[in-house]
Amino acid sequence: EAGVTQFPSHSVIEKGQTVTLRCDPISGHDNLYWYRRVMGKEIKFLLHFVKESKQDESGMPNNRFLAERTGGTYSTLKVQPAELEDSGVYFCASSRLLADFETQYFGPGTRLLVL
Amino acid sequence: GNSVTQMEGPVTLSEEAFLTINCTYTATGYPSLFWYVQYPGEGLQLLLKATKADDKGSNKGFEATYRKETTSFHLEKGSVQVSDSAVYFCALKYSGSARQLTFGSGTQLTVLP
Repeated sequence: EAGVTQFPSHSVIEKGQTVTLRCDPISGHDNLYWYRRVMGKEIKFLLHFVKESKQDESGMPNNRFLAERTGGTYSTLKVQPAELEDSGVYFCASSRLLADFETQYFGPGTRLLVL
Repeated sequence: GNSVTQMEGPVTLSEEAFLTINCTYTATGYPSLFWYVQYPGEGLQLLLKATKADDKGSNKGFEATYRKETTSFHLEKGSVQVSDSAVYFCALKYSGSARQLTFGSGTQLTVLP
């Protein structure tokens, strides 16, 4: 079974540019999460999809961030325009649509550097 | 709100040394507790978990016991190997609609031969 994949693995952009990150969850996983780790600090939750619906987007920092999951398969996270403080590692995770004891499987992350 | 506090790193040990990485949490109710590990160049992997008080999670020689009275979930291993060098994250999660993980800041472990 293939794991969670993320693309690109690294991205270096200038302030004001746009970047789109992609996550492909494990096949059959209806839950999809985005997290990020900034400056070696704790990993923080951004949002949660159940299939194509946003279940919880309380962690999205501001309206420069837009996440989509059309068709309930892969997801994209767009940052437009990017700011310096957006630099960090963006993780995606997926899990089956089960009850309380779900295990989230993480991808390798996308390292974003905004100059 | 919920939070997880981890032992500050980095931690450097010699091979076969005993490892403890402290983790305490602040939360209402009864969360599930997790340790995730990130090896160099890889994604986060679930190392072990415990879903209720006094449960002990274990995997690959690592152990952690869910201590409700001290709100702790310390990670231990009796004899570390060079291959255990990684970043370790403690995390908690509630059941119900809010399914996101709340993580600690991570502890970098380096094991020297």
